[in-house]
Amino acid sequence: KNQVEQSPQSLIILEGKNCTLQCNYTVSPFSNLRWYKQDTGRGPVSLTIMTFSENTKSNGRYTATLDADTKQSSLHITASQLSDSASYICVVRGNNRLAFGKGNQVVVIP
Amino acid sequence: DGGITQSPKYLFRKEGQNVTLSCEQNLNHDAMYWYRQDPGQGLRLIYYSQIVNDFQKGDIAEGYSVSREKKESFPLTVTSAQKNPTAFYLCASSSGLAGGLNLYNEQFFGPGTRLTVL
Repeated sequence: KNQVEQSPQSLIILEGKNCTLQCNYTVSPFSNLRWYKQDTGRGPVSLTIMTFSENTKSNGRYTATLDADTKQSSLHITASQLSDSASYICVVRGNNRLAFGKGNQVVVIP
Repeated sequence: DGGITQSPKYLFRKEGQNVTLSCEQNLNHDAMYWYRQDPGQGLRLIYYSQIVNDFQKGDIAEGYSVSREKKESFPLTVTSAQKNPTAFYLCASSSGLAGGLNLYNEQFFGPGTRLTVL
């Protein structure tokens, strides 16, 4: 069973709208959690890192949250733009390993 | 793509042929990694290297080989023993081992190579 589950698998949103992506994990012990953005045919690029003591962190229009008690994280995209169309990958570090989610595929349409 | 280059971007090979994918970084990073990405799946670790002349198998090393003769370079060979080699291959590097003691070691990824075996 994958230690990192992301939902929804894919979604389509209108330009200008907000959306929220979910990441649930079972990795233990937990060290940190990163959200990456991967454009089609490119390598992933880090958006933000969350550690155990952090609840919320923003990077421009991207806001990540972490609830270490329930082992859940979310990535909120505000006022989406066409350039936000990408796969968003949740990566959890724990026990000296990295566990990768399968990604949330986001398509922003005009 | 943060100082990591992969070449070529697209690669086509006939079944049964070995093929080598290039990965170079100018970030002075000690650790380098190779991942495989298939549609609908998360990244899977093939091999990683913490230091020159040393490398370790990842989760799916069978049918692959690597070398680390220089700090900047970490080529991956996909051998004919790899049963299903068609995939998107990503190389990454970090200033230390990503699962190691530095909790903030970020992996920087290259642009990827899409390998298609015909």
